[in-house]
Amino acid sequence: SYVLTQPPSVSVAPGKTARITCGGNNIGIKSVHWYQQKPGQAPVLVIYYDSDRPSGIPERFSGSNSGNTATLTISRVEAGDEADYYCQVWDSISMVFGGGTKLTVL
Amino acid sequence: QVQLVESGGGVVQPGRSLRLSCAASGFTFSSYTMHWVRQAPGKGLEWVALISYDGSNKYYEDSVKGRFTISRDNSKNTLYLQMHSLRGDDTAVYSCARVGEGQQLVSYFDYWGLGTLVTVSS
Repeated sequence: SYVLTQPPSVSVAPGKTARITCGGNNIGIKSVHWYQQKPGQAPVLVIYYDSDRPSGIPERFSGSNSGNTATLTISRVEAGDEADYYCQVWDSISMVFGGGTKLTVL
Repeated sequence: QVQLVESGGGVVQPGRSLRLSCAASGFTFSSYTMHWVRQAPGKGLEWVALISYDGSNKYYEDSVKGRFTISRDNSKNTLYLQMHSLRGDDTAVYSCARVGEGQQLVSYFDYWGLGTLVTVSS
């Protein structure tokens, strides 16, 4: 089955840029979606189809996807961005999530 | 506004059954593919199953195939997950999620419920 690999944690200072990767075999040919989940809350879609941003999501959130790695980039990180982030793809007849990355704002 | 509210969770012994429900409101339920996703305590998201907008297509994660059944009643705006032969590793918060592109089987999820906790324990 298809596996998505995310770093367990990423730390960044406020105002800096955070990059969260999602690795998978030839992930560049798949559509990748990203979710933000804060404790006790439902996940929120932050990027869909690799790089599209839903309405209401700040422009600070962007995405890219090429080769074996998809990346969620959060610019000018704020304290409120601290959360778990998950990538998601569809493979064959199964939906797959990455293991999640905890973003800590220092 | 779109709302998804799950119910039916609880504590159940291994080997027993449980049926979860997801009540949808604020949109035309019969026009959307729906999924179940679970999250074990302190763990990541795990996809469980999907059902097409009209109920004609269903897919399952390998570990639940043959034990779980997804269904829907479009007249009641409700999604279900019937779970049999429950095991300890089925312990999780089960959430329903709406596909953002309506009748597409696979797409991003634009709305999620908060979930209902299923605990499998003797």
